[in-house]
Amino acid sequence: GAVVSQHPSWVICKSGTSVKIECRSLDFQATTMFWYRQFPKQSLMLMATSNEGSKATYEQGVEKDKFLINHASLTLSTLTVTSAHPEDSSFYICSARSTGTQYFGPGTRLLVL
Amino acid sequence: AQRVTQPEKLLSVFKGAPVELKCNYSYSGSPELFWYVQYSRQRLQLLLRHISRESIKGFTADLNKGETSFHLKKPFAQEEDSAMYYCALSGGQAGTALIFGKGTTLSVSS
Repeated sequence: GAVVSQHPSWVICKSGTSVKIECRSLDFQATTMFWYRQFPKQSLMLMATSNEGSKATYEQGVEKDKFLINHASLTLSTLTVTSAHPEDSSFYICSARSTGTQYFGPGTRLLVL
Repeated sequence: AQRVTQPEKLLSVFKGAPVELKCNYSYSGSPELFWYVQYSRQRLQLLLRHISRESIKGFTADLNKGETSFHLKKPFAQEEDSAMYYCALSGGQAGTALIFGKGTTLSVSS
């Protein structure tokens, strides 16, 4: 099946700094990628839909200026958590759709101190 | 409103027992329904999608439009089935995100 990678797999940062997370589709092109957030032992919450070459679509309650999404190519979407705070600590997961199926990345664990 | 409901947070069964993980949905059109599984320390993987009507690892799921349900079943649980199971729906169009249920942890013990 299709493979989606994320980098980094985990990151620790200081409060107030920005963190960039990359999501790549390794063997297919994805005009649309999705970013989810998962809290411990909870479900995935859709944050935004990343569209190649255009602006991302954010879900209600997700601050677009806080979570910057860039989808500059058909195989790469990035999520930048700006001015991170401890409450942004979470597990961030991206996915991309190929032949009708969504494939998920392994996730990035962010810890903001 | 689009919604996926998994009423059970945890389901514990003994090895060899039948398993049914419940999933109900709310959607105004004709959604695609999926079951995803997340084993410990692994990424989310597709287990089943309703349109393919296939059986994976002994699991099956039938879409019941009348009851708006998509329950996951397996006649004989195995210990390696222990994992987190998520039911999800999609509007079916390319570029439509998945809406997930809260997940059910399946624990199979010997």
